[in-house]
Amino acid sequence: GESVGLHLPTLSVQEGDNSIINCAYSNSASDYFIWYKQESGKGPQFIIDIRSNMDKRQGQRVTVLLNKTVKHLSLQIAATQPGDSAVYFCAENIRGGSYIPTFGRGTSLIVHP
Amino acid sequence: DGGITQSPKYLFRKEGQNVTLSCEQNLNHDAMYWYRQDPGQGLRLIYYSQIVNDFQKGDIAEGYSVSREKKESFPLTVTSAQKNPTAFYLCASSIDRIGQPQHFGDGTRLSIL
Repeated sequence: GESVGLHLPTLSVQEGDNSIINCAYSNSASDYFIWYKQESGKGPQFIIDIRSNMDKRQGQRVTVLLNKTVKHLSLQIAATQPGDSAVYFCAENIRGGSYIPTFGRGTSLIVHP
Repeated sequence: DGGITQSPKYLFRKEGQNVTLSCEQNLNHDAMYWYRQDPGQGLRLIYYSQIVNDFQKGDIAEGYSVSREKKESFPLTVTSAQKNPTAFYLCASSIDRIGQPQHFGDGTRLSIL
């Protein structure tokens, strides 16, 4: 079957550095992608989304890049802070249908002060 | 504030018992979901519901049951048929149809005594 996966299970960075979290997807029909942040003991929270007609989308300190050619997306966090420490998930979707979002395994981001 | 409330936060079950996890939302969302999360793993879909009085099995529905009698409530019962129920259970909702960004509760951690 098709799946969503992440390249790195754990990413350690220093406070102030930029972080890049990667996600590979294999369903060529996926046209909508969401990044979630999950802090310890809590549920995932929506961070940012991107549709397949875009290559890049920016939020506050976060940028998502989508490369449809190689079925890859990344989440960039600028000036990473200790409060950014969490597990980050990407989810792939097909909008407008009954496709259920598929979640990747997640990447644990650890920010050292 | 609107949101999703899961209760209890921690739950213990004896062998052979059924237990029910509560999920209530006041976001006026049509779609609701139940996921299971095991350590170091992504979210696996148990059941989902697109509308009141309707629900569908997800990838790992065996040993679980749900009901959707009210729009705001989607309780999950973990039956004795579920042989490995120890996990973190997450409830989510989305505005109208499947595939929209999901709002998550803070989960219930179920353990076997």
